Amino acid sequence: NAGVTQTPKFRVLKTGQSMTLLCAQDMNHEYMYWYRQDPGMGLRLIHYSVGEGTTAKGEVPDGYNVSRLKKQNFLLGLESAAPSQTSVYFCASTNSGERQPQHFGDGTRLSIL
Amino acid sequence: GENVEQHPSTLSVQEGDSAVIKCTYSDSASNYFPWYKQELGKGPQLIIDIRSNVGEKKDQRIAVTLNKTAKHFSLHITETQPEDSAVYFCAASKGSSNTGKLIFGQGTTLQVKP
Repeated sequence: NAGVTQTPKFRVLKTGQSMTLLCAQDMNHEYMYWYRQDPGMGLRLIHYSVGEGTTAKGEVPDGYNVSRLKKQNFLLGLESAAPSQTSVYFCASTNSGERQPQHFGDGTRLSIL
Repeated sequence: GENVEQHPSTLSVQEGDSAVIKCTYSDSASNYFPWYKQELGKGPQLIIDIRSNVGEKKDQRIAVTLNKTAKHFSLHITETQPEDSAVYFCAASKGSSNTGKLIFGQGTTLQVKP
């Protein structure tokens, strides 16, 4: 059982380039989340989805877009990468919005030069 | 806005000693409090969680206590082992919106010395 899989694991971009991070889960979970993790700041929510075809903004959404065309996939896009978006990105999923744990992938390490 | 404060930021203990990490939260509607362990190069893994209808929960060497009046919850690890060394995050559910959103603390780096 793979759980939550994130691709790619590492990426280096130049300022202004675009890219898409993919999150796939095989647990049939309804809810999915994208976080960024920066030193000393814990995990901050970028965008989330409560079901196929839905998306909503989190705490730090600026500069990112997301799509949830299929229930098992949640895509995070950077249209014009900036050095401030250098971070480790984590995807998570859960089967309910009511007091259930989130399951995390192993992250994508993104550097923007 | 709502936030979760976690202390200490770093903690070093001798193998076999106990470790305690404390968190406070601001959203009085929070009713779910998970704890995650993150090893180097990996994603956070759930180690224990507690819901607001209980005050304490234990799983082998790990226990969590919750004081809803004080908006305070703590992780206790007894008989620590070197493999307990990792970053630990507390979290609190965000209000009663039923979105499953969590607010995370800043993390505690635990080092267990052999």
